[in-house]
Amino acid sequence: QKEVEQDPGPLSVPEGAIVSLNCTYSNSAFQYFMWYRQYSRKGPELLMYTYSSGNKEDGRFTAQVDKSSKYISLFIRDSQPSDSATYLCAMVDSNYQLIWGAGTKLIIKP
Amino acid sequence: DAEITQSPRHKITETGRQVTLACHQTWNHNNMFWYRQDLGHGLRLIHYSYGVQDTNKGEVSDGYSVSRSNTEDLPLTLESAASSQTSVYFCASSSSGANVLTFGAGSRLTVL
Repeated sequence: QKEVEQDPGPLSVPEGAIVSLNCTYSNSAFQYFMWYRQYSRKGPELLMYTYSSGNKEDGRFTAQVDKSSKYISLFIRDSQPSDSATYLCAMVDSNYQLIWGAGTKLIIKP
Repeated sequence: DAEITQSPRHKITETGRQVTLACHQTWNHNNMFWYRQDLGHGLRLIHYSYGVQDTNKGEVSDGYSVSRSNTEDLPLTLESAASSQTSVYFCASSSSGANVLTFGAGSRLTVL
C-alpha cells in the first residue's frame, strides 16, 4: 500500500463546476501538505501549502486538511479550461522528505 | 528572472550508453533534487543535494549518480542506460527544506 493514495482520473467536468480533488494518506506523522499543479509537458508548480488541519483559501482554490481522517482535499470554484492539468498532492514526512501522490488528471470542458 | 534550466529537453539513446542530464538554477538555492516521473508512480526521488559537495540517495538511486561542485548545477548521470530508465526526469531546487520546490521543465529520455 502506498503512503499517499490519489485517484489518477481523468476527472472531466464542465466549465464553471466546483471541482474536488482528494488524497488519503497512512502516515500520521505527516505535518505539511501541498498541492502542485502540472500542465502537460511542464514541471509541477506549487499551488497551495498548508500546515495544520482546517481550510486555506487562495482565490478560487481552497485546500482542506483533515488529519483525523488522514484526508486532504483541493477545491476549485468556478473552474476554467485553463485549470485543466494534473494535480499532485505531496506531504512532508518525519525526515523532511516529500512523499507524492500519483496525480489526478483534471479536464475542464468549455 | 531566476530560473531552473534542464538540458537536453529530449534525448534518445541506446542501452549501455552513458547519459548526462544537466540542471542549472539561478535561484541561488542550496537544495537541489532529481526526480523521475512515470505513469502510475508519480514523482520518485533519485538523488538530492543540500549544498556543494553534498549528495544523497533517494528511493530509486540505483544506476544513477550526481555530483555537486557548485551551487548552480546538479548533473544527473546514467552510467549505463537501461530501458527501465526511459522516463521524464525533473530537476528541482529549494531554498530550505524539501517541500517548496521549484521545478525545471523536464528532460524526456528514451532508452532503446
